[in-house]
Amino acid sequence: GAVVSQHPSRVICKSGTSVKIECRSLDFQATTMFWYRQFPKKSLMLMATSNEGSKATYEQGVEKDKFLINHASLTLSTLTVTSAHPEDSSFYICSASSPGQGDGYSNQPQHFGDGTRLSIL
Amino acid sequence: AQSVTQLGSHVSVSEGALVLLRCNYSSSVPPYLFWYVQYPNQGLQLLLKYTTGATLVKGINGFEAEFKKSETSFHLTKPSAHMSDAAEYFCAVRQKRSSNTGKLIFGQGTTLQVKP
Repeated sequence: GAVVSQHPSRVICKSGTSVKIECRSLDFQATTMFWYRQFPKKSLMLMATSNEGSKATYEQGVEKDKFLINHASLTLSTLTVTSAHPEDSSFYICSASSPGQGDGYSNQPQHFGDGTRLSIL
Repeated sequence: AQSVTQLGSHVSVSEGALVLLRCNYSSSVPPYLFWYVQYPNQGLQLLLKYTTGATLVKGINGFEAEFKKSETSFHLTKPSAHMSDAAEYFCAVRQKRSSNTGKLIFGQGTTLQVKP
């Protein structure tokens, strides 16, 4: 089945540091990937939709300059948390859909990475 | 706008008992429906999905769900709970639309506790 790899699994760094998280689709091409943020005991909050070769689409309230997304190839999207602060500490998860048939991507499930636990000291 | 409601943020069952996790959606057109499971500090794993065809869908780990259009529901069930089923469960929907990029709408999640 479709596999999505996310790296690193855990990051601990000082306040003010920029952190890059990678999301790779290992056995399929993903023109669209998604980045989520999950707070403890909470559901997933969609941050942005990453589109290969074009600008990401950010959800309302998500700072574009704070969370930089790059989707340079069909198998890789990156999320960079710039000048991270303790309030950015969270669990970040990416996902990707394999291409579907007929109805585009709609009828295909999203495949999720294992997440990145970001802790800013 | 679409929305997903999972009734009960926390469900506790005994090992061997029936598991029932509720999910209702709000959409003008029946969407595609998914159930995901999340274990601690991990991403989400697909349990099952409904797109078209038979309304009773069987998934992994003995789970199944039934799409009921009249009730706008997609409840998740398992006849006999195992300790390993303890996890967070998310119901999600996606609108049927050819221009859709695949954006999912998630419910709030239900924590399943299985007692020995």
